[in-house]
Amino acid sequence: SQTIHQWPATLVQPVGSPLSLECTVEGTSNPNLYWYRQAAGRGLQLLFYSVGIGQISSEVPQNLSASRPQDRQFILSSKKLLLSDSGFYLCAWSVQTGNEKLFFGSGTQLSVL
Amino acid sequence: DAKTTQPTSMDCAEGRAANLPCNHSTISGNEYVYWYRQIHSQGPQYIIHGLKNNETNEMASLIITEDRKSSTLILPHATLRDTAVYYCIVRAPSTGTASKLTFGTGTRLQVTL
Repeated sequence: SQTIHQWPATLVQPVGSPLSLECTVEGTSNPNLYWYRQAAGRGLQLLFYSVGIGQISSEVPQNLSASRPQDRQFILSSKKLLLSDSGFYLCAWSVQTGNEKLFFGSGTQLSVL
Repeated sequence: DAKTTQPTSMDCAEGRAANLPCNHSTISGNEYVYWYRQIHSQGPQYIIHGLKNNETNEMASLIITEDRKSSTLILPHATLRDTAVYYCIVRAPSTGTASKLTFGTGTRLQVTL
């Protein structure tokens, strides 16, 4: 069966520090991968998605970047965190055959202080 | 994607059926209705989806009106663990690209004793 791993679960970082969140998927090949963010009391916002290794699409301009160095690995990064980067970050995957079923990880609660 | 309208919040007594409505009056012929839920501090979880026929799985039932302009998610015997935000999403299949789902504000379902 397929599983998605996301870590860390919580993270407290000072403003201006770098960020690296990692997500890996097991049990499937060539998945679509996604990064979402949920600010406190707000809805989910799609940040990035990837349909293959090295292929990254950004949905909104921001202080973050994403990379997909391996088929089942998705990384969210920042060189210098801003206060506004605080939020709940969720990684998700889906199959590539026109199915809108997304499977989400357990999320990372990021607090930038 | 068609716009959806859901009530902001609903209450349901434990053991009773929870009926969550969703209006999608501008739905197109090839758009499916998807339901997800998000328990507090967790990632969203896929529940069910349908095109025009009613659907049932181990989690819930989905009733879509004949004109497809609205639908109802039914949790037949709600438990406290069903307390969550429920999202109704309307979207056509993503052929050859990613499933860029847009999550609105959903309905906050509170199941009480």
